[in-house]
Amino acid sequence: DIQMTQSPSSVSASVGDRVTITCRASQGISTWLAWYQQKPGKAPKLLIYAASRLQSGVPSRFSGGGSGTDFTLTISSLQPEDFATYYCQQANSFPLTFGGGTKVEIK
Amino acid sequence: EVQLVESGGGLVQPGRSLRLSCTGSGFTVGDYGIIWVRQAPGKGLEWVGFIRSKAYGGTTEVAASVEGRFTISRDDSKSIVYLQMNSLKTEDTAVYHCSRALAAAGTSWFDPWGQGTLVTVSS
Repeated sequence: DIQMTQSPSSVSASVGDRVTITCRASQGISTWLAWYQQKPGKAPKLLIYAASRLQSGVPSRFSGGGSGTDFTLTISSLQPEDFATYYCQQANSFPLTFGGGTKVEIK
Repeated sequence: EVQLVESGGGLVQPGRSLRLSCTGSGFTVGDYGIIWVRQAPGKGLEWVGFIRSKAYGGTTEVAASVEGRFTISRDDSKSIVYLQMNSLKTEDTAVYHCSRALAAAGTSWFDPWGQGTLVTVSS
């Protein structure tokens, strides 16, 4: 199984800050990676797929990068509605696996 | 609007069974693979299983943690995908979400997601 390790597990930031979350795969997955946002009590929402492609309707302040084993999700200027938990997911092979999540909190 | 709605959750005793439904609307459910993912209280996302579209054989994949107990099936005439859960354990307590695969063959990313249905396994 491919293990997905996210860091940090939580981050405190202010509105307007630039925030970067990393996700590391235990083996190479090319660009078979997605990022999701989840708010408390809500369903996950797809933000980024194929490591760097922005899902339709997602603001351009979100961007993704990386390939192989190391990936990033960057929020260029944090907005109040971005405080949430973010998960990466590898789509290279079954079993599909998620990172442990990164909670973005208000500083 | 493309939408998925889960139903069938509830309180069930250990060892009993429960069947969840995932009903799609706003798209042709039969054209897509569907995933089940669960989230235990206060925990992260855990993949449960996946069913391919009939065009890709309608075959299924399930996580090792539920293999032999959970099965996934689909009734495309009703736009429903089912998660049959047998021999439930307390550790199966979670909110169960379904979602639509955006890549045809299997391994994929998923959107949109349903709000989920809560399954509580307790005596």
